[in-house]
Amino acid sequence: GAVVSQHPSWVICKSGTSVKIECRSLDFQATTMFWYRQFPKQSLMLMATSNEGSKATYEQGVEKDKFLINHASLTLSTLTVTSAHPEDSSFYICSASRGTATDYTFGSGTRLTVV
Amino acid sequence: GQNIDQPTEMTATEGAIVQINCTYQTSGFNGLFWYQQHAGEAPTFLSYNVLDGLEEKGRFSSFLSRSKGYSYLLLKELQMKDSASYLCAVADSNYQLIWGAGTKLIIKP
Repeated sequence: GAVVSQHPSWVICKSGTSVKIECRSLDFQATTMFWYRQFPKQSLMLMATSNEGSKATYEQGVEKDKFLINHASLTLSTLTVTSAHPEDSSFYICSASRGTATDYTFGSGTRLTVV
Repeated sequence: GQNIDQPTEMTATEGAIVQINCTYQTSGFNGLFWYQQHAGEAPTFLSYNVLDGLEEKGRFSSFLSRSKGYSYLLLKELQMKDSASYLCAVADSNYQLIWGAGTKLIIKP
């Protein structure tokens, strides 16, 4: 079945530094990548949607200059959290779609802790 | 606005049956998903309903009524490993998933 590899699984960084999270679709081409953030005991919050080769569409309230998304190929999308602050500490999850209605494959998630 | 409602928490006994309800109001409808999420892990796909009726898959079944904007996930023969959060999500007219807040299911021996 479809697999999305997300790295790193967890990361601890100092406040003010940047962190890059990668998601790779291993056995299919992901036309669309969704990036979510999940705070403890809350549901998934969509941050942005990206299509290969075009700029990401950000949800209201998500700073595009802080959360940089690159979807350079059909198998790789990255999320860079720039100038991270403790309030950015969260669980970040990507989800890849091949473009069909029922096809959403999730990565394993990245636990980000900013100290 | 778009809204997905599901209970915050439910408790059930090992071996029993539990039904988790989900009601929705969205701009367009292209199917309803149920996902299971264990703490600290990404969601895993359980079911997808786009037509009215019941879809059965082993111990799990999912029901949909589009006219009522209602779905439920039925879990039978509960096992301790079923303790998790269950997320209801609806694909809207743009195929974007709208997520419920999740139902934390606690299984007791």
